[in-house]
Amino acid sequence: GAGVSQSPSNKVTEKGKDVELRCDPISGHTALYWYRQSLGQGLEFLIYFQGNSAPDKSGLPSDRFSAERTGGSVSTLTIQRTQQEDSAVYLCASSLGGGVSGEQYFGPGTRLTVT
Amino acid sequence: GENVEQHPSTLSVQEGDSAVIKCTYSDSASNYFPWYKQELGKRPQLIIDIRSNVGEKKDQRIAVTLNKTAKHFSLHITETQPEDSAVYFCAASTNFGNEKLTFGTGTRLTIIP
Repeated sequence: GAGVSQSPSNKVTEKGKDVELRCDPISGHTALYWYRQSLGQGLEFLIYFQGNSAPDKSGLPSDRFSAERTGGSVSTLTIQRTQQEDSAVYLCASSLGGGVSGEQYFGPGTRLTVT
Repeated sequence: GENVEQHPSTLSVQEGDSAVIKCTYSDSASNYFPWYKQELGKRPQLIIDIRSNVGEKKDQRIAVTLNKTAKHFSLHITETQPEDSAVYFCAASTNFGNEKLTFGTGTRLTIIP
């Protein structure tokens, strides 16, 4: 079946502009995660959605970052007033959740460049 | 919170030899430890994982060992091949993976033909 998809694949924006990144999880997966990977670095957790529970926002680096998940499926990560340090690859992952296998499947990522 | 350390950061191995990558974690509540392989420009892909109720798991040329007492786990790749060249990340999570993953900083493995 289809894997996790993300759009756009690449985004170049000017400093100070807002951007929206989209994630379509695997159908039936109730858990959805956002991570950030800076050049040559590991993956940094941002936010986690599980079903209808309140999201775990503990990894969001500032209040310029927010995310929502509509209808328990598609998620949008929004970065307001982008800064150059926001440049990174933003990865989305999904898993079955609900106490079943925690294996997380990653999307291809969105490469964000802030100029 | 959880902290995962990974060593070495780079590793070069002759084709056919074995490679070992080691990770330590800090949170004794962590009970799920996956390993991801990331090829250049590609998404991370799970290659093997282990839960805290077992000490070792093997899948063909890949094996993972876990020492809960010492809070460390290792990835072993035997009979390495050129296609094993990639960056490998270890990670740790509670709730058997139904929580955020805390990743190590990665190991760039190069297989020398």
